[in-house]
Amino acid sequence: EVQVVESGGGVVRPGGSLRLSCAASGFTFDDYGMSWVRQAPGKGLEWVSGINWNGGDRGYAGSVKGRFTISRDNTRNSLYLQMNSLRGEDTALYYCARVGSWDSGYLDVWGKGTTVTVSS
Amino acid sequence: QSALTQPASVSGSPGQSITISCTGTRRDVGGYNYVSWYQQHPGKAPKLMIYEVSNRPSGVSNRFSGSKSGNTASLTISGLQAEDEADYYCASYTTSITLGVFGTGTKVTVL
Repeated sequence: EVQVVESGGGVVRPGGSLRLSCAASGFTFDDYGMSWVRQAPGKGLEWVSGINWNGGDRGYAGSVKGRFTISRDNTRNSLYLQMNSLRGEDTALYYCARVGSWDSGYLDVWGKGTTVTVSS
Repeated sequence: QSALTQPASVSGSPGQSITISCTGTRRDVGGYNYVSWYQQHPGKAPKLMIYEVSNRPSGVSNRFSGSKSGNTASLTISGLQAEDEADYYCASYTTSITLGVFGTGTKVTVL
């Protein structure tokens, strides 16, 4: 079964750090780009970051640029999101998603998400 | 990068057809045939319904169809069913960043 499973969410104080992980299975991981998408409580979807198959192309939303770092380990079939200098507005459910085609950017496999809460 | 514009809500009766619009600019929706649509039921992860404007992934009902004209993309749901009640988001490739941009989301209600 093709799936991605997120982990690493939790409660963190403003200014703190957290590292999210995403374990992929059921497909050839290094054939695909991957993305992180978040959804604040009661709000819409926001593309956070994306990385191509070998890590050579990475992108970030303006709201997280300079604070978040996306990476991947193709030997472990895993995607990561290092989040530093966290703010209240980063509180959200974070989804890991497979990019079906890097050119067109559609997300064809989604995890269930991991919750990040930034609060003092 | 601003979100694409969708109507906040659309409703219809069972069996009817509804259309959700998604308006962007020539730098995203209008510039590329790279619009996708996602369905999200409450408490669930989004699900890809349409990619590259009008393509349906395997397993998605043919009651869902997509199109584009200029800077506006559309998702049409025909033969509306109770299970179609959900939030729907469009998304597009954009020249601005190495990522996509989502729409504001539309809540579909089946009356």
